[in-house]
Amino acid sequence: QSLLTQPPSLSGAPGRRVTISCTGSSSNIGANYDVHWYQHVPGTAPKILIYAHTNRPSGVPDRFSASTSGSSASLAITGLQAEDEADYYCQSYDSSLGGWVFGGGTKLTVL
Amino acid sequence: EVQLLESGGGLIQPGGSLRLSCAASGFAFNDYAMSWVRQAPGKGLQWVSTIIGSGYNTFYAGSVKGRFTVSRDNSRNTLSLQMNSLTVEDSAVYYCAKNGGFCTSATCYYFYQWGQGTPVTVSS
Repeated sequence: QSLLTQPPSLSGAPGRRVTISCTGSSSNIGANYDVHWYQHVPGTAPKILIYAHTNRPSGVPDRFSASTSGSSASLAITGLQAEDEADYYCQSYDSSLGGWVFGGGTKLTVL
Repeated sequence: EVQLLESGGGLIQPGGSLRLSCAASGFAFNDYAMSWVRQAPGKGLQWVSTIIGSGYNTFYAGSVKGRFTVSRDNSRNTLSLQMNSLTVEDSAVYYCAKNGGFCTSATCYYFYQWGQGTPVTVSS
């Protein structure tokens, strides 16, 4: 059971908008530790999508955005494309563990 | 171009040991913290260990502390993970990752670039 809770699965039609939530607690997101997001297509290397809450590395489309409020964070994907079908993970630091934690992951299906 | 190439994975019996390596290129290796992250079959990503650029500070997940040792050779741009007393729960694909984030406490670290991973199977 991860300290960061994500919905196990989500789906959306091409062109639509989806939001993936990441709920933490006072020892991680709520403690103002940075939240980061990754995209992982099984069988390939995971890819950083968003770092430090809202920042997109070069090459990541602006269809991907994220926000953090209180003990929760969310990743929004607009204009869904077939290539967005992947697993998505949030990540932060947890002071009770003394280490870095990932959410359980959300499998996104593009209908 | 940053390249991270893991090696050393394989099939090992419970209680055995394995040493993973990650050959890094395309960046100033000793300027960056490096990490190992794993993914067990059917499970999500799990942070395993991190070592800062100088190699003087290391961090471990509770599930591997005392059994795994992370190290780096900055003269050879190589990251290693010595895994001892392996159990079936250690079976996973192990990824080497270059950290991003610059903060004195390391709490801001994220996993900026990743290798393709090397599979480890612990089974009798």
